[in-house]
Amino acid sequence: GAGVSQSPSNKVTEKGKDVELRCDPISGHTALYWYRQSLGQGLEFLIYFQGNSAPDKSGLPSDRFSAERTGGSVSTLTIQRTQQEDSAVYLCASSLGTGLGTDTQYFGPGTRLTVL
Amino acid sequence: AQSVAQPEDQVNVAEGNPLTVKCTYSVSGNPYLFWYVQYPNRGLQFLLKYITGDNLVKGSYGFEAEFNKSQTSFHLKKPSALVSDSALYFCAVRSSGNTPLVFGKGTRLSVIA
Repeated sequence: GAGVSQSPSNKVTEKGKDVELRCDPISGHTALYWYRQSLGQGLEFLIYFQGNSAPDKSGLPSDRFSAERTGGSVSTLTIQRTQQEDSAVYLCASSLGTGLGTDTQYFGPGTRLTVL
Repeated sequence: AQSVAQPEDQVNVAEGNPLTVKCTYSVSGNPYLFWYVQYPNRGLQFLLKYITGDNLVKGSYGFEAEFNKSQTSFHLKKPSALVSDSALYFCAVRSSGNTPLVFGKGTRLSVIA
């Protein structure tokens, strides 16, 4: 079946512009996660959605970052007034659930964001 | 707070030799441990996980990992390395409940022919 897809695969923007990154999770997966991977760094958790519960936003680095998940499926990560330090690969993952046995996360290919 | 340490940024091993990629963790309560692999310009792929039960967990591509509670470790192993195993490997941990995964910084494995 189809895996997690993300678009665009690459995004180059100018400092100060807003960007939107999209994630399509695996069909039927109730949990969706966003991570950031900077050069030479591990994965930094940003936000996750589980079903209809309020999202866990504890990893968002600033109020310029926000995310939505519409209809329990597609998610959009928005970065306002981009800065050069926002340059990274943004990874999305989904899992069937968050309980034992259902919490394995499956990752998309990522969006490489470059802020000039 | 949860944390994961991968003490080696880089591991080099000759093809055919056994490989070990180290991971130690810190978590309150029972740990749920994962290994992921990232090939160049690709997303992360799930290798294996430990929830409970046998300390030796077998996963994809011939990899296995051993959970050691007393040493708080979850090292990734493979008996005979392949050149195609060269990639970036991430260890991750979460505790019970709706807690997000915490990833290590990754270890780059290079298998030399």
